[in-house]
Amino acid sequence: GAVVSQHPSRVICKSGTSVKIECRSLDFQATTMFWYRQFPKKSLMLMATSNEGSKATYEQGVEKDKFLINHASLTLSTLTVTSAHPEDSSFYICSATRPEETQYFGPGTRLLVL
Amino acid sequence: GENVEQHPSTLSVQEGDSAVIKCTYSDSASNYFPWYKQELGKRPQLIIDIRSNVGEKKDQRIAVTLNKTAKHFSLHITETQPEDSAVYFCAASTRTGANNLFFGTGTRLTVIP
Repeated sequence: GAVVSQHPSRVICKSGTSVKIECRSLDFQATTMFWYRQFPKKSLMLMATSNEGSKATYEQGVEKDKFLINHASLTLSTLTVTSAHPEDSSFYICSATRPEETQYFGPGTRLLVL
Repeated sequence: GENVEQHPSTLSVQEGDSAVIKCTYSDSASNYFPWYKQELGKRPQLIIDIRSNVGEKKDQRIAVTLNKTAKHFSLHITETQPEDSAVYFCAASTRTGANNLFFGTGTRLTVIP
């Protein structure tokens, strides 16, 4: 159990376009989902915490208008990178959790902005 | 906020030897410490975790020890195998589930056949 999927796994887009990444908990209801960004050979950097039905809580330095997060249901959260630029290229990973359990990570989405 | 430091950043061991990775944390309120293994381009996978009400936990070749007084915890892998080669991250949180995980900077483990 505790399977988390992410879609797409890889996306290439032109500068200025928006990209939506989906994170789904397949076999459990996730009360909280987290979005991380990971640079090559670096640790996971928490971007935001998302609770179902409420606004996401963003970490310091993360632009909420650029990284739009929607957590419409207990099994789906989306991250939209708006007006993407080459510096937004990265590996984005979500995780999902339910109370008193650990975080289960999605497989990640590799974004390349040209 | 919590600050997690991890050492070493890289570690090479001969197959069959043991590997030890150490982490320290700053927030005495932290009470949940998971360890993740991440292979290249893949998701972090939980390999073992420990809560602050125990000092040691073991699962086959993997063990984790926790010293709450000193605020450090360690991952021990015995009888290492080439498939143990990966990046390992420690993390700390004030509780499981809904609270943030604060990650260490990672250790790249290479097991030499």
